[in-house]
Amino acid sequence: NAGVTQTPKFQVLKTGQSMTLQCAQDMNHEYMSWYRQDPGMGLRLIHYSVGAGITDQGEVPNGYNVSRSTTEDFPLRLLSAAPSQTSVYFCASSATRQGSNTEAFFGQGTRLTVV
Amino acid sequence: GNSVTQMEGPVTLSEEAFLTINCTYTATGYPSLFWYVQYPGEGLQLLLKATKADDKGSNKGFEATYRKETTSFHLEKGSVQVSDSAVYFCALSDLSGGFKTIFGAGTRLFVKA
Repeated sequence: NAGVTQTPKFQVLKTGQSMTLQCAQDMNHEYMSWYRQDPGMGLRLIHYSVGAGITDQGEVPNGYNVSRSTTEDFPLRLLSAAPSQTSVYFCASSATRQGSNTEAFFGQGTRLTVV
Repeated sequence: GNSVTQMEGPVTLSEEAFLTINCTYTATGYPSLFWYVQYPGEGLQLLLKATKADDKGSNKGFEATYRKETTSFHLEKGSVQVSDSAVYFCALSDLSGGFKTIFGAGTRLFVKA
């Protein structure tokens, strides 16, 4: 039972480069989201999706794009990496039931450094 | 909008001490409340949850009660162990927030032997 799989685990980028963080879940969850975790700031929501073809912005969307073409996959694209995007990124998924999310399942995280 | 506030850390305790981590929330609807735990180098995992007022969530000796009157969901454990050292996050989710799960800043717990 894979759950939520994120790749890569570590990445170093140069300023201005682009890349895609991959996220896949095998639990048929409707809701998927991306967070970044920075020291002292907890988890901040970047983008989220309530189903295939539907995405929306979270707290800190600037510099990131997402798409949701299938239920399983929710990639996060960094368009032009900046040092301020150095962070640990987490993908999460959950079922939606009776108007609220149930338990969120998290990937292992991607530690991104932009130099 | 919805928000979660939890006590700042780090919290340092000796083994077998009593733990309380405070969490209060602001929500326009009727949220579900969660505590997640993050061990070093890992993602978050659910510790316990409560979906309506006066519900008590419990797991691995940890407990939290959903208090609507005080908008709180404080985490407690009667006797902590070294293995409980981790970061603890309080979170909420509800329909009025568009299904988004909102997290507190996290509280780091160190337990000394």
